[in-house]
Amino acid sequence: EVQLVESGGGLVQPGGSLRLSCTGSGFTFSVHSMNWVRQAPGKGLEWVSYISLGSTTIQYADSVKGRFTVSRDRAKNSLYLQMNSLRDEDTAVYYCAREYGSGWNDIWGQGTLVTVSS
Amino acid sequence: EIVMTQSPATLSVSPGERATLSCRASQSVNINLAWYQQKPGQAPRLLIYGASTRPTGIPGRFSGSGSGTEFTLTISSLQSEDFAVYYCQHYNSWPYAFGQGTKLEIK
Repeated sequence: EVQLVESGGGLVQPGGSLRLSCTGSGFTFSVHSMNWVRQAPGKGLEWVSYISLGSTTIQYADSVKGRFTVSRDRAKNSLYLQMNSLRDEDTAVYYCAREYGSGWNDIWGQGTLVTVSS
Repeated sequence: EIVMTQSPATLSVSPGERATLSCRASQSVNINLAWYQQKPGQAPRLLIYGASTRPTGIPGRFSGSGSGTEFTLTISSLQSEDFAVYYCQHYNSWPYAFGQGTKLEIK
């Protein structure tokens, strides 16, 4: 079965850090670019970050640029999102998504909840 | 930065009827547009990519059209499982962006 599984979410204080992981299975992880997308409670989807299959191209939304870092480990079929200097407005469910073709996301994880609160 | 605007915010339609959802881009995205369906507590599901192409497994009652800045998702005969929130997303350039969503509810 083709799937993505996120982990690492939780409760963190403002200004704190958290590292999210996303592990792929059932497909060749290394040949796909990947995206992180988040969804604040009761709100819509927000694109967060992109990383190409070889990690040569990395992009961020302005809202997280300079605070978040995306990376991937080919040997572990894993994608990561290091989140620093967290703010209340970063509270959201974070999804990893497989990019297929030239930009659409065909496989999504179940999401992991990040809550930033004192 | 390209901004995506969806309309209406909420659409009330009876089962068996047709639903038409709109998505507008602030500048041309060519046909680099996808549509997703999201049900409560679930991850989004890809419905359409390339503005009009259905992935394998997506029912034929879902169709997409448009190019440039104006796009439409049509659901030809609504089934009970189609009541959900629908998002458009462009991937023409970074930053990618989603529309704010259209909630399709039962009339």
